[in-house]
Amino acid sequence: KQEVTQIPAALSVPEGENLVLNCSFTDSAIYNLQWFRQDPGKGLTSLLLIQSSQREQTSGRLNASLDKSSGRSTLYIAASQPGDSATYLCAVNGGSQGNLIFGKGTKLSVKP
Amino acid sequence: NAGVTQTPKFRILKIGQSMTLQCTQDMNHNYMYWYRQDPGMGLKLIYYSVGAGITDKGEVPNGYNVSRSTTEDFPLRLELAAPSQTSVYFCGTGRTQETQYFGPGTRLLVL
Repeated sequence: KQEVTQIPAALSVPEGENLVLNCSFTDSAIYNLQWFRQDPGKGLTSLLLIQSSQREQTSGRLNASLDKSSGRSTLYIAASQPGDSATYLCAVNGGSQGNLIFGKGTKLSVKP
Repeated sequence: NAGVTQTPKFRILKIGQSMTLQCTQDMNHNYMYWYRQDPGMGLKLIYYSVGAGITDKGEVPNGYNVSRSTTEDFPLRLELAAPSQTSVYFCGTGRTQETQYFGPGTRLLVL
């Protein structure tokens, strides 16, 4: 059974810092991996999707990497801003049905 | 183009009551999903559908039912509400199994 773990559970950093969020999964047979952002009381916004054949994806200040063989992904946020404060969820897509297996998330707080 | 809409946004139910959570998408996606998110947890799959007339159970289906009579709609039915069903419910859709778009969620409180 696929399990997804995210470390740390919470992170507080001063504005301007570069930071890394970690995601690990137990079954390397994945179709793709997605990073989502969730604001309090809101839905999920997809940030980056990495196909199983890819090593990384970039969007603006965000860079996500994938090492399928070791079951790990990282989300790198450069020059963090207070507006980046949110919960970041990692999810793996492992089946033909497309359902996602989610980690519990990392709650990020960026202090001005 | 509204994307994925969910109604209601918030509901309080008494134990034993029933209700239907609505999910509608206007993107002509075949894949639709229902997840629940408990406080401090990730989302868990309740039911999914790969097309009209086809549904299947996810990880936590007990206490729920679904139907998919059209491509656009994927309602989630709670027959006998229990406090354990207090959660936030998210509907997701996808054209293929590659990625998903999520609705804003329905917050349900069972007392």
